[in-house]
Amino acid sequence: GAGVSQSPSNKVTEKGKDVELRCDPISGHTALYWYRQSLGQGLEFLIYFQGNSAPDKSGLPSDRFSAERTGGSVSTLTIQRTQQEDSAVYLCASSVSYLGNTIYFGEGSWLTVV
Amino acid sequence: GENVEQHPSTLSVQEGDSAVIKCTYSDSASNYFPWYKQELGKRPQLIIDIRSNVGEKKDQRIAVTLNKTAKHFSLHITETQPEDSAVYFCAAAGGSYIPTFGRGTSLIVHP
Repeated sequence: GAGVSQSPSNKVTEKGKDVELRCDPISGHTALYWYRQSLGQGLEFLIYFQGNSAPDKSGLPSDRFSAERTGGSVSTLTIQRTQQEDSAVYLCASSVSYLGNTIYFGEGSWLTVV
Repeated sequence: GENVEQHPSTLSVQEGDSAVIKCTYSDSASNYFPWYKQELGKRPQLIIDIRSNVGEKKDQRIAVTLNKTAKHFSLHITETQPEDSAVYFCAAAGGSYIPTFGRGTSLIVHP
């Protein structure tokens, strides 16, 4: 596609429910990143994929967070048993590879847990 | 791992003034340094980048300088305009798999 596409753009969920956030990277980009941005804050690294592999999961805040990528393309970030502190914008980004190339961000998924 | 420090956290200037944002990094293996601009409610967008084999790069009113020895790089915006108001993020990449971002600078340009 022309850019990184994320869905849903906005999600309001009740505390305790599970949510899935989807990211469709730029075609041909092998590296995919998930970041979290709380209101007025910086970019918190969550996880990255090189192909379908996730070599570094150390940024995931808790075991309620998981992510997968299939076919070297679409990625899904899943948050189980959501808490209010999970409310944030979840940004996906992709790049040609992980070796010092420009990363391009999607518009983000705004998650609100009530 | 890489650690990127960014200063200042907030910068307020008058229209027409220059603005400078500074970042330092810790991993000498980092070789790619992009800058992103994020307007309110929008995605971060790349505005300029520099690689470690270059000391300075300029694009119209925006320039970036890199000092590899001191491990710091800076963003310079000249003749600031109200539409330059946004949050700016620096990043360092290449030394590890993960681009590491600074905490951001909120630039406010007063008309």
